[in-house]
Amino acid sequence: QVQLVQSGAEVKKPGASVKVSCKASGYPFSSHSITWVRQAPGQGLEWVGWISVYTGKTSYAQKLQGRVTMTTDTSTNTAYMELRNLKSDDTAMYFCARTYSGSFGSEFYLYYMDVWGEGTTVTVSS
Amino acid sequence: QSALTQPASVSGSPGQSITISCTGSASDIGNYKLVSWYQKYPGEAPKLMIYEDTKRPSGVSDRFSGSKSGNTASLTISGLQAEDEAEYHCCSYGGETTLVFGGGTKLTVL
Repeated sequence: QVQLVQSGAEVKKPGASVKVSCKASGYPFSSHSITWVRQAPGQGLEWVGWISVYTGKTSYAQKLQGRVTMTTDTSTNTAYMELRNLKSDDTAMYFCARTYSGSFGSEFYLYYMDVWGEGTTVTVSS
Repeated sequence: QSALTQPASVSGSPGQSITISCTGSASDIGNYKLVSWYQKYPGEAPKLMIYEDTKRPSGVSDRFSGSKSGNTASLTISGLQAEDEAEYHCCSYGGETTLVFGGGTKLTVL
């Protein structure tokens, strides 16, 4: 069956970096893109960014620009989200999600996320 | 990329219907037919309930329906059941390859 399996919980100090993985199975990895979403304690879902597995094109939330990088490894069907210079308000559960998207001209439209990983807790604390 | 606006909480009794609103702008909800809704239990991953404003994935109960008028999307749950008690999050395409979420609504089944 289609599933996304994420890496385990991380505890980091402020200023450090974290790299979360998301291994896909049960479907052709390049046929869909991947979205990353986070949820801080007591807060709503927040879009972190998106990557097209097929083209490598990325789009990141404005507030995280310069600190976040998303990549994929098609040889292992794995997506990665790296967040640098961690701050305490980066403490959250991070989810990856298989995403339906389509390109028209130079723009990729993001439709919806139908399969989600189980989440990875990232705690930033001194 | 301003967040969409949802009520913090709604409640209803078993068997009743409830509607959760999600208000955006002409730059997101009002400009695309790309609103989705997700159900989330504490400690679990979100689950897709509605996509492209009104479509329901296979396996999702037909008690769940989506609609939209102008810049406001809505999720209606009819025949409320105890298992529907969860958080519900709306999401819209925001243009320029971005997504925007609402703050989430906690549904309590009385």
